[in-house]
Parts: sequence; C-alpha cells; structure tokens
Amino acid sequence: RKEVEQDPGPFNVPEGATVAFNCTYSNSASQSFFWYRQDCRKEPKLLMSVYSSGNEDGRFTAQLNRASQYISLLIRDSKLSDSATYLCVVTYSGAGSYQLTFGKGTKLSVIP
Amino acid sequence: EAQVTQNPRYLITVTGKKLTVTCSQNMNHEYMSWYRQDPGLGLRQIYYSMNVEVTDKGDVPEGYKVSRKEKRNFPLILESPSPNQTSLYFCASRPTRARGNQPQHFGDGTRLSIL
Repeated sequence: RKEVEQDPGPFNVPEGATVAFNCTYSNSASQSFFWYRQDCRKEPKLLMSVYSSGNEDGRFTAQLNRASQYISLLIRDSKLSDSATYLCVVTYSGAGSYQLTFGKGTKLSVIP
Repeated sequence: EAQVTQNPRYLITVTGKKLTVTCSQNMNHEYMSWYRQDPGLGLRQIYYSMNVEVTDKGDVPEGYKVSRKEKRNFPLILESPSPNQTSLYFCASRPTRARGNQPQHFGDGTRLSIL
C-alpha cells in the first residue's frame, strides 16, 4: 500500500516563530508533490506545489528530497492566520490511472 | 469564476434511503474524484474518473456508486446509506492533459449524517 506519513501534531508555536513540517512517502515512483492547507470544516486549498529544486512563496518554502523520499514545508515569521491543518499530497500517474494520496495532516496553532 | 460545486452542503437522512450528492465543475477538467474525510483517518479517495465514461475505484469504494456521463458532472450515489457513511465528503477536479504539476481544485464539501 502506498503511504504518505505526516506528524499529526499539534504544533503550538508563538507568533513570529519558524516552524517546519516533514512528510515521507513510500512510492519511489511518485511524480508530483503538493502542500495543501485546510481550515476547520473547510475544503483543502492548494498552498504550493513542491519542485525538485525547492521553491519559495513569501514566508513559505517547500523542499523535495527524492533520495530520502520526503518533502518539507517551512513557515517563517508565523502569523495567527497560519493556524490550520497542513496536508501533504503525493501523486503518481501511469498506465491510464492517476493515484493521489493525502497525508493525514499536521495541525498548526499559532499563539499570540 | 472557476469552481467545483457540490450539492447539498449539508444533509441529515436515515439508513437505507437512497441519496445522491452532485458535483459539477466549469473548468473543462478531465479528472474528477470523490473523497471522504473522517477524524484521524484523513482524506480517503472513494472513486475517481479519468474522463467521460471512465471511472475507477479508490481506496474506500464500498457502499458508493458514481457515474460520468458528461465531463462537467460526477455524482456520488449512496444506494442504501448506513451510519458508517456519516462523513464529510469532497469532490475535486484537475486537468490531466496539461503538463506539469497540476493540483486538484476542491468543492466546498458536503456534510452527510446518516441516522
């Protein structure tokens, strides 16, 4: 079974802190990687795609390590509005099928 | 506005009474999918469709049916709902013919309670 594992947290951090999440995946042939953000009882929303070279979007940095099969998300200067659950998503496509696997999510609470 | 629309948003019903949750997308996406989300279990895929008339089972298909007669619609059917199908359901879509990292777009969710 293809698995995506995340630390469920919760991570309780003060405003302004830097926090990092890791996610490991078991299918070495996985092709695409994403971080989604989900607020309580809301739909998941794309935060950022993850590229092999690493990518940054403002305070958020995503990294991919294919050799060790993990992806990471770094949030700098945490804001109260960053409080949410962060979902790691890994995809694989081939032979007419498309498999997408979600991690169970890591809950972040940013405290004043 | 590009979106995935689910209906209803909330439904409380009784065991055994057939129900359908509709999902429609206006982005001309080939791929559509249904998930259920339960505490401690995360998002699990029920069924997906690569294109019109092409559907396949996900991780938890038991008790559900789907159809894909048109590109824009992908209804989820519970022929005989049971209490263990009480959950939060999400529909999602993505293009499959475009290159690169294409994420999924999610609907707002449907909260089903089966009594």
